[in-house]
Amino acid sequence: TQLLEQSPQFLSIQEGENLTVYCNSSSVFSSLQWYRQEPGEGPVLLVTVVTGGEVKKLKRLTFQFGDARKDSSLHITAAQPGDTGLYLCAGGGDSWGKLQFGAGTQVVVTP
Amino acid sequence: DTEVTQTPKHLVMGMTNKKSLKCEQHMGHRAMYWYKQKAKKPPELMFVYSYEKLSINESVPSRFSPECPNSSLLNLHLHALQPEDSALYLCASSQVPGGDYNEQFFGPGTRLTVL
Repeated sequence: TQLLEQSPQFLSIQEGENLTVYCNSSSVFSSLQWYRQEPGEGPVLLVTVVTGGEVKKLKRLTFQFGDARKDSSLHITAAQPGDTGLYLCAGGGDSWGKLQFGAGTQVVVTP
Repeated sequence: DTEVTQTPKHLVMGMTNKKSLKCEQHMGHRAMYWYKQKAKKPPELMFVYSYEKLSINESVPSRFSPECPNSSLLNLHLHALQPEDSALYLCASSQVPGGDYNEQFFGPGTRLTVL
């Protein structure tokens, strides 16, 4: 079983600050997805990274896939209260469709 | 249309009841999934349907019975549930099962409470 470790588990910051969430594994993933989930709602897909060393930007969010495709990071610049949520990384590539989820990082951005 | 819909949004049932959860997508996706999620935990895979056939059952108790009537619909039939089955049940779909991308799109979930 491929394991994904996410850190930190919880992050509380003030509006305007920056934050980084990490997703690490000892295994290689063919792709990695980042989701954000708000309370009582389903996860929303933010981005998929596929190529080692890839960097993708989504407004104030920057996603990076490690060169060896074993780790990924999510960086938020100038966080806003709307960024509050549970951030989940998930590794794909299983031919059966199984995603391996990290434990999640709860981010709270206060005004 | 990039949406996965789920009904009902909330469900309260007794341990002797029979109920069903419904999921629908119109993206032409050929893989559909049921997940169970407890508070502050990641989703746990329950079932995978690939081209309308059950391809994965993650050792789920028989009181949960999935059904895929066609490529757009996915049901989860519930019978004789236990209070510990209370959770958020999520449906997801992807273009095909697995593959390099395997981007899964989730519905809003059904909040199930078993009394």
